[in-house]
Amino acid sequence: EVRLVQSGGGSAQPGGSLRLSCAASGFTFIYDWMHWVRQVPGKGLLWVSRVNNDGSSTIYADSVKGRFTISRDNVKNTVYLQMDSLTVEDTAVYYCVRDVSECGSGTCYNRRFDSWGQGTQVTVSS
Amino acid sequence: EIVLTQSPGTLSLSPGERATLSCRASQSVSSTHLAWYQQKPGQAPRLLIYGASSRATGIPDRFSGSGSGTDFTVTISRLEPEDFAVYFCQQCGTSPYTFGQGTKLEIK
Repeated sequence: EVRLVQSGGGSAQPGGSLRLSCAASGFTFIYDWMHWVRQVPGKGLLWVSRVNNDGSSTIYADSVKGRFTISRDNVKNTVYLQMDSLTVEDTAVYYCVRDVSECGSGTCYNRRFDSWGQGTQVTVSS
Repeated sequence: EIVLTQSPGTLSLSPGERATLSCRASQSVSSTHLAWYQQKPGQAPRLLIYGASSRATGIPDRFSGSGSGTDFTVTISRLEPEDFAVYFCQQCGTSPYTFGQGTKLEIK
């Protein structure tokens, strides 16, 4: 069974930092890209960041670029989101997500976010 | 950035009825990277449909997806009480991997 167990988060002041962790089990972690997605309660979903399978490539939403850093440890089967220079607009529930797809001949198909962590509340306020 | 617009915002139906939810993209999306998710209050989203029309593991066959290009649809043939939730479409082919704003399916 695929499991993504999140930890970290909590409260911070504007300008502060927090780190989220997501421990994966039940699948071969090194094979899959991982993402962070956030959601303001009662609102929609916003993709935040992605790291590829070996950690060599990362991309970010414009709203967090230069402030957040995604990384992974393929020995500990864990993905992280380091959040610096936090603003009140970063207040949300953050989800760790597994990305799977079928790949062949240099092309990938049927990409989807097939497993989600339980979510972690991040609150930024003064 | 590809913007996904879902309609309607809220759909009020009764158990046993058929539900049709729409997702329109601001530019063409590869159908292999169009997914749908279901979210219930207090829970993480759950993958429903991927590749525009393939059901995820464990999803009952009353759920079906269709579409191509800029217009995609998910249909629930006969609503069960547990289907009342919020549904999101997503394109996961081009960064940023955008979501629609959601359709709330509520009991009439």
